[in-house]
Amino acid sequence: AQSVTQLDSHVSVSEGTPVLLRCNYSSSYSPSLFWYVQHPNKGLQLLLKYTSAATLVKGINGFEAEFKKSETSFHLTKPSAHMSDAAEYFCVVSSHSNTGKLIFGQGTTLQVKP
Amino acid sequence: GAGVSQSPSNKVTEKGKDVELRCDPISGHTALYWYRQRLGQGLEFLIYFQGNSAPDKSGLPSDRFSAERTGESVSTLTIQRTQQEDSAVYLCASFGQNYGYTFGSGTRLTVV
Repeated sequence: AQSVTQLDSHVSVSEGTPVLLRCNYSSSYSPSLFWYVQHPNKGLQLLLKYTSAATLVKGINGFEAEFKKSETSFHLTKPSAHMSDAAEYFCVVSSHSNTGKLIFGQGTTLQVKP
Repeated sequence: GAGVSQSPSNKVTEKGKDVELRCDPISGHTALYWYRQRLGQGLEFLIYFQGNSAPDKSGLPSDRFSAERTGESVSTLTIQRTQQEDSAVYLCASFGQNYGYTFGSGTRLTVV
């Protein structure tokens, strides 16, 4: 069965400093992996997705993630945090059943301090 | 439509009452999913529709929860005899090959 673990429930950074949100996955197959962002009182927005092409995936708003099979990780990074990046971030794996349902991590709250 | 539409956006109901939540997916998306998000937590899968059949209902938490879908269009999630633990945001998503998953803005259900 597939699962994801987000290693930090809260991350706090200063504006202009790098962001690292950690995610480990468990999957018997080559997984499809996603990062979603949820701003307060807003819907979920896809940041990026990995589907077995390039291991370094670039997403929107300067975010990127690297798929590392040997470490079963898919950490999300951004070189320089912006105040508008403050939100909840979810690491997600797609189930390899024929339903295609998504399995969400518990989320990481990113706080950006001025 | 241009996106996934959910209604109502907010619903406050008394414990024991029934509620219906509606999802209108993107036109042409045959796959539709319902998820629940409790406060401060990730999304929990509830049910998956392919067309109007539901091959995976494994996430429905109890027999008070049910869902149906009309063809490849609107889906309704019904919660009977609501309990306070049902309070959550209920999210609907549809899937299409070109754009992947698209989530609605959700229905915030509060049971008082």
